[in-house]
Amino acid sequence: GDSVTQMEGPVTLSEEAFLTINCTYTATGYPSLFWYVQYPGEGLQLLLKATKADDKGSNKGFEATYRKETTSFHLEKGSVQVSDSAVYFCALSGTLQGGSEKLVFGKGTKLTVNP
Amino acid sequence: GAGVSQSPSNKVTEKGKDVELRCDPISGHTALYWYRQSLGQGLEFLIYFQGNSAPDKSGLPSDRFSAERTGGSVSTLTIQRTQQEDSAVYLCASSPNRDTDTQYFGPGTRLTVL
Repeated sequence: GDSVTQMEGPVTLSEEAFLTINCTYTATGYPSLFWYVQYPGEGLQLLLKATKADDKGSNKGFEATYRKETTSFHLEKGSVQVSDSAVYFCALSGTLQGGSEKLVFGKGTKLTVNP
Repeated sequence: GAGVSQSPSNKVTEKGKDVELRCDPISGHTALYWYRQSLGQGLEFLIYFQGNSAPDKSGLPSDRFSAERTGGSVSTLTIQRTQQEDSAVYLCASSPNRDTDTQYFGPGTRLTVL
């Protein structure tokens, strides 16, 4: 079945460092890919998404490119801030019967950014 | 506008008791999902509702779990005879329609079974 594998961390960086969180997936068909973020004490929020191969999703300085050839959707940010400290989840849209979709999540990567 | 809301935010119960968790989706959203977030399993899909269609229950872990959605809006997830392994954060999400793959999540209900 569909699955998502992401580096589990935790990841600890200094402010202004470069961030990469790796994510690879296994899926039948052509799913949409997502990064969700969970800030401390808050619910899951969509960070960015890409719906087809070679699409780049971007938001708040974060970017991820849908790479069909390597089945990857790595999250990157050039200069992290303390406020980026959160848990990041990679996900894909997996098809349910009847064509509806569920999200299949990776296990999450906890990022801590120190000043 | 208002986002997805869930109640209660925290629930502590004793093993063997039944619990009900409530989700109010974003107004006008026809698709509603329940997920479970636990330390050992990560985020898992439980059940999906689309409008007035029969729900997709393929993610429910056992027959102790059930859910309903009244009037195409509010949903209730019921866990009967709770077990310690049911302890988790239960998340609800909604989406405008079945063709939109972006889901909007509520804050979750943290369930602790003693």
